[in-house]
Amino acid sequence: GQNIDQPTEMTATEGAIVQINCTYQTSGFNGLFWYQQHAGEAPTFLSYNVLDGLEEKGRFSSFLSRSKGYSYLLLKELQMKDSASYLCAVREEMMDSSYKLIFGSGTRLLVRP
Amino acid sequence: DTEVTQTPKHLVMGMTNKKSLKCEQHMGHRAMYWYKQKAKKPPELMFVYSYEKLSINESVPSRFSPECPNSSLLNLHLHALQPEDSALYLCASSSGDRGYQPQHFGDGTRLSIL
Repeated sequence: GQNIDQPTEMTATEGAIVQINCTYQTSGFNGLFWYQQHAGEAPTFLSYNVLDGLEEKGRFSSFLSRSKGYSYLLLKELQMKDSASYLCAVREEMMDSSYKLIFGSGTRLLVRP
Repeated sequence: DTEVTQTPKHLVMGMTNKKSLKCEQHMGHRAMYWYKQKAKKPPELMFVYSYEKLSINESVPSRFSPECPNSSLLNLHLHALQPEDSALYLCASSSGDRGYQPQHFGDGTRLSIL
């Protein structure tokens, strides 16, 4: 079966650092995406990991350990606008080069002043 | 604003109506996707089109009928929907090439079934 777990909610303070964890057990794996979704808006792409290690993009970093089925998203210097849902999604590639995204339940992050 | 455009933004329909959701992208992407998202839940994949051919149907009821008229357009035809079909319907596209290529999402159509 497919199982992707994330914490349901997290709260952090403006200017701080927060780490959102994601563990997965899926039948296929061709990489892991992190998306941000503000209420009522489209998910927007944040990061992608396919090899083990850390990927850094400005205030956002994402880490992957394939052997442990584990990823995290690290947000630094939190801003109020970072209050959103963060979705972890495992990619399963199809034969025709399209792919399925299997989403975790998402983590709602609330940033407080 | 996103590069994937969905219309209408909101739709209210009765259970006997027939309507269509539309999705358009001009990024040259060759894979397009329909997702359903209920409140406070993640998107659930419904259909995948690759190079204008239906690639995946995630056991979606036949009252939802997808159509891909050309590489830029994706439609979702709706007929005899149920109240539980009320949700946000998201369209996404990706390049269709192998390797790293994220899916780009539209803002969605918020559908309410009376």
